[in-house]
Amino acid sequence: QVRLVESGGGVVQPGRSLRLSCAASGFTFRNYAMHWVRLAPGKGLEWVAVLSYDESNKQYIDSVKGRFTISRDNFRNTLYLQMNSLRTEDTAMYYCARENRAYSSDWYMGDWGQGTLVTVSS
Amino acid sequence: EIVLTQSPATLSLSPGERATLSCRASQTISIYLAWYQQKPGQAPRLLIHDASSRATGIPARFSGSGSGTDFTLTISSLEPEDFAIYYCQQRNSWPLTFGGGTKVEI
Repeated sequence: QVRLVESGGGVVQPGRSLRLSCAASGFTFRNYAMHWVRLAPGKGLEWVAVLSYDESNKQYIDSVKGRFTISRDNFRNTLYLQMNSLRTEDTAMYYCARENRAYSSDWYMGDWGQGTLVTVSS
Repeated sequence: EIVLTQSPATLSLSPGERATLSCRASQTISIYLAWYQQKPGQAPRLLIHDASSRATGIPARFSGSGSGTDFTLTISSLEPEDFAIYYCQQRNSWPLTFGGGTKVEI
């Protein structure tokens, strides 16, 4: 079955960097677009970034543009989120999610990991 | 950016009752809307995509409707496991956005 396991979260000071990973298994990773979505304390879900299955399309929410980079390694079946210049408002649970359908640009999130917690605090 | 406004913020119902959740978009988004369910401490789950198509494995008591700017998620008869937070999400234009959520509580 589909399995997505995030890692790399932790406590970090403002201005520092962190790299999140999402290890995928149970499906053909290279055939699916992948998303990062976050849930800040007391807030609702916020989509962060997506990378298409063929890496031709990469999109970000405005608040992370120039600071976060989404990437993938299809040999390691792993999705990444490099987060630089972290701010307190980036504090959240970060989920990776698989696109609902293979080879799709529907931009719906069909399967989710359990998340990794990022806390930005001095 | 398309803003999605969900109402009500909280819905207090009993098992067996019908739940009707609303999601309104700040501009027309055709049918490009999904609904997700999230329980405390769990990952979200896709329920409905393209306004009315149930995702794989979702029970028939969940249904979606609407197009343009007004959308509805209906749970025909609430089961105990349905008490959760529900989010709508649009994919009509970048950035993808979620609504603020509706909490369905007992």
